Amino acid sequence: GEQVEQLPSILRVQEGSSASINCSYEDSASNYFPWYKQEPGENPKLIIDIRSNMERKQIQELIVLLDKKAKRFSLHITDTQPGDSAMYFCAASVTGGNNKLTFGQGTVLSVIP
Amino acid sequence: AQTIHQWPVAEIKAVGSPLSLGCTIKGKSSPNLYWYWQATGGTLQQLFYSITVGQVESVVQLNLSASRPKDDQFILSTEKLLLSHSGFYLCAWSLASQNTLYFGAGTRLSVL
Repeated sequence: GEQVEQLPSILRVQEGSSASINCSYEDSASNYFPWYKQEPGENPKLIIDIRSNMERKQIQELIVLLDKKAKRFSLHITDTQPGDSAMYFCAASVTGGNNKLTFGQGTVLSVIP
Repeated sequence: AQTIHQWPVAEIKAVGSPLSLGCTIKGKSSPNLYWYWQATGGTLQQLFYSITVGQVESVVQLNLSASRPKDDQFILSTEKLLLSHSGFYLCAWSLASQNTLYFGAGTRLSVL
């Protein structure tokens, strides 16, 4: 089955700087790549996603890049704020069947004021 | 608007005791339903999925079972809890034609 590797596991950045999280996947058939933000004690919430027909997507301060050849995708948070501190998960799936999302191991982001 | 409700919010149970967790989704007809498990500080692992009433597929074997008695209801259960069952159980839904997954608030389970 699909395997997703996510790095780094811990990321500390200064407020106002950028934060980048990188993921790689193995199944070339994967065509959907969402990112979830999970705050302590809460459920994961979808913050941005990208499909395989795109290379870049931006929603406000969130930018997702997808390199299908290298089987890599990444999340970039520009101008980080303390409210961005949370656990972030990347995931990959193939449309159809059970739409199983395979998640990365997660990144704990801390934004230092 | 669609809503997803999980119950209970939290449970503390003894090893060997039974467990039943519930999930209902309102506002969507015939959604795909999923159970995920998350160890503390860990990643999210899919346990079961269901695309229709009465049909449930197991993804991993963890001495748990799931059932979908109604279109809008998904139940996770076991007759005998293990210490390793502790964690955060999340119900999720998606449209059959899309991969986008939406999670419920979750149930935090502690097995002692």
